Amino acid sequence: KQEVTQIPAALSVPEGENLVLNCSFTDSAIYNLQWFRQDPGKGLTSLLLIQSSQREQTSGRLNASLDKSSGRSTLYIAASQPGDSATYLCAVDNQGGKLIFGQGTELSVKP
Amino acid sequence: GAVVSQHPSWVICKSGTSVKIECRSLDFQATTMFWYRQFPKQSLMLMATSNEGSKATYEQGVEKDKFLINHASLTLSTLTVTSAHPEDSSFYICSAREASNTGELFFGEGSRLTVL
Repeated sequence: KQEVTQIPAALSVPEGENLVLNCSFTDSAIYNLQWFRQDPGKGLTSLLLIQSSQREQTSGRLNASLDKSSGRSTLYIAASQPGDSATYLCAVDNQGGKLIFGQGTELSVKP
Repeated sequence: GAVVSQHPSWVICKSGTSVKIECRSLDFQATTMFWYRQFPKQSLMLMATSNEGSKATYEQGVEKDKFLINHASLTLSTLTVTSAHPEDSSFYICSAREASNTGELFFGEGSRLTVL
């Protein structure tokens, strides 16, 4: 059974700092991995999607990596801003579209 | 990206009543939609897979008679919480997959249900 774990559960950083969020999964036979952002009381915003054959994806200040063999993914946020404050969720798709989510990392960026 | 809309975004109901939540894919067709629920400070848990024109597939532990799912068209799936109780209060989120090779999923804005 696939399990997804995110570390840390919460993170507080000063504005401008670069940071890394971690995601690990137990079953490496994934179809893809997706990172989401969730603001309080809101739905999910897709940030980056990495196919199983890919190693990384980049969008603006965000870079996500995938190492299937070790069951790990990282989300790198460069030059963090207060507007980046949110909960970040990673989710794996073992194919079929059923996503298994991690518990999320609650990020707070202090001005 | 593709847009998925949920309605209502917020609903309060009395215990024992039924509530219907709609999930629409606005600019694409979705043969499959997924329903999740999220309790406060917790992650999303998949409830069921909604297939257009056929019965939904429920995850273990989810009561199919409690959570009725209908996927009558390629752009609409509905979740009806029947005989709602306070423990059903939660954030319900749907997702739909665009028919492309990436398999990327797009999520609705969520519907917060409060049962009094």
